[in-house]
Amino acid sequence: AQRVTQPEKLLSVFKGAPVELKCNYSYSGSPELFWYVQYSRQRLQLLLRHISRESIKGFTADLNKGETSFHLKKPFAQEEDSAMYYCVLTGGGNKLTFGTGTQLKVEL
Amino acid sequence: GAVVSQHPSWVICKSGTSVKIECRSLDFQATTMFWYRQFPKQSLMLMATSNEGSKATYEQGVEKDKFLINHASLTLSTLTVTSAHPEDSSFYICSATPPGGRFTYNEQFFGPGTRLTVL
Repeated sequence: AQRVTQPEKLLSVFKGAPVELKCNYSYSGSPELFWYVQYSRQRLQLLLRHISRESIKGFTADLNKGETSFHLKKPFAQEEDSAMYYCVLTGGGNKLTFGTGTQLKVEL
Repeated sequence: GAVVSQHPSWVICKSGTSVKIECRSLDFQATTMFWYRQFPKQSLMLMATSNEGSKATYEQGVEKDKFLINHASLTLSTLTVTSAHPEDSSFYICSATPPGGRFTYNEQFFGPGTRLTVL
């Protein structure tokens, strides 16, 4: 069975501070991992995926197979980063397994 | 980008009635669409995979006779909540993946969701 764990329901940081949203997964095969984001009153959208190794809006995430983690990081938080972030796993095909989500609040 | 719409955006119905929710891919054809359910302050739970021209695949614990899914065309999937009860009140979200090669592999595009309230 595949499972995604996001231990923090709410993460509050000050503007300009570093951000790390934690994500751990459980999957027996080779997973594909994503971060999806939902801004206030907007639909879910893809933020980034591990195989792209890209930085989107200053966010990066590295897949650590040894620790089965895929933490999302940003060196300097911005007010517009406030949103709900979901760590998502797929083991193949298009079926997505969502973590419980972390609400990021960036305070001035 | 690829756009997915849902209709209605919110619906209130009486207990015992049936409610139909539509999910449309506006600028691409989707052979597969997905239906999720989200309770307040909780994550999305996959309910079923909707396959064009064939039966939907339901996740464990989801009653297929209660949540009827029809994927009659490459741009439309419908979810009908039959004999709705207050415990069915939730936020229902659909998603779809454009055909391979057009967008990021495995990227799903989500609809805005439909809020169902059963009185």
